[in-house]
Parts: sequence; structure tokens; C-alpha cells
Amino acid sequence: QVQLVESGGGLVKPGGSLRLSCAASGFTFSDYYMSWIRQAPGKGLEWVSYISGNSIFTDYADSVKGRFTISRDNAKNSLYLQMNSLRAEDTAVYYCARDQPPYYYGSGTYYMGIDYWGQGTLVTVSS
Amino acid sequence: QPVLTQSSSASASLGSSVKLTCTLSSGHSSYIIAWHQHQPGKAPRYLMKLEGSGSYNKGSGVPDRFSGSSSGADRYLTISNLQSEDEADYYCETWDSNTHVVFGGGTKLTVL
Repeated sequence: QVQLVESGGGLVKPGGSLRLSCAASGFTFSDYYMSWIRQAPGKGLEWVSYISGNSIFTDYADSVKGRFTISRDNAKNSLYLQMNSLRAEDTAVYYCARDQPPYYYGSGTYYMGIDYWGQGTLVTVSS
Repeated sequence: QPVLTQSSSASASLGSSVKLTCTLSSGHSSYIIAWHQHQPGKAPRYLMKLEGSGSYNKGSGVPDRFSGSSSGADRYLTISNLQSEDEADYYCETWDSNTHVVFGGGTKLTVL
């Protein structure tokens, strides 16, 4: 069965860095886009970043662009999120998630939402 | 970009049914959405993908008590025979080539 296990969270000071990891199993990792999604305390879910199966395509939410970098190692079935210049507002549980394969509908429209989630890892940015 | 609107809370009695609503913004009424369940302290769980036609495709192991339907820009999640373990936050989610994954604000379901 599909399993996604995050690690690397912890307490870090503002301006600091942290690298999150996600170990994937139960599916052909390289075939899937992967995403990071976060949930700040008392808030809803927020998409952070995604990466294509071959790492060619990546994108980021405006709130983290220029500070976070997503990457993957298909040989190790692992997804990463390098977080630099961390701010208090980055405090959240970070979830690794698998994106669904493209599902085409309508005229040129397609859907690639989330179909599996990890259990999350907590990142706290505080002095 | 699409915006998803959900009521912040809902409640229903044990053994009854509840219908949660997710409304797509103007110009996006044909979009496919997904429903996710998030129980406290657990990983979120994908429930289903729901099309504008009302056709839905459930995730692995999702009980038959969970079903989806659509009407115009509204997407619904109906939970029948409510159980205590259904108490959770429910998020709708859609996908757009420009904004990628977009979530609604979530509905906190209380089982009375």
C-alpha cells in the first residue's frame, strides 16, 4: 500500500534553515508528481510546492517562493523540501502528498489533485 | 483562479446523515474537486474525486456511507449513518494549471 513518511521537522529560529524529507513506498515513485502541503496552527490547508516525476517542473506558492526548494531522488524514493530564511508564519505541520495522474475533462482542462498524504512533520519557527 | 467556499462548521446526530457543501467560484463551475477528511492527529485522507456531472470515484477503503453529488457550482459530500469516527475536518480541493492545488477553508463536522 502507498506510504508516505515525513521527517526532519523541529524547532528553528527565525532566519534559520531546515530540510524536510519524505520516504515513499508502495508505488512507482518516479511516475508521480509530488507536493508539499502545510497547515498552520488553527488554519486550513495550504499548498506549498510541487515537483514533476522527472524533476523538470517545479512550482511554489508565492508565500515561499525564493526561500523554499523542492527536490527528489527517485533512486531513493524520497522527496525533500529545503526551507531557508524561515519566518514565524512558516510554523506549520508539513505534509508530503502524492498528486494524481492527469485526468482530462472538458476542453483542455485537467485535474491533478492529491490522492495520498503522509502523517506530517511539525516545523516551529520561534526565537 | 478557482476559489472554494465551505461552511466553517456542521453538526449532525449519530446514525443520521449530513450533506457538506463546497461551492466553486464563478467561471469554475465545471471543475472537478476532491474531498479529504482530516481527523485530529492523523494524516489527511483522500475520500473521492467528484465531477460536475455528479460522477464520483472514491479512494481505497472509503466506506459506502460516503457519497458525492453535484449541482451547478456546488459539490456535495454526503455521509450516511454517521459514526463517531466521522467527526473531523472536511476539505474540498481542486486543481488548476496556474494555481495548482487549491483548498477550501474546511468544514468542522461534529457528531452529536
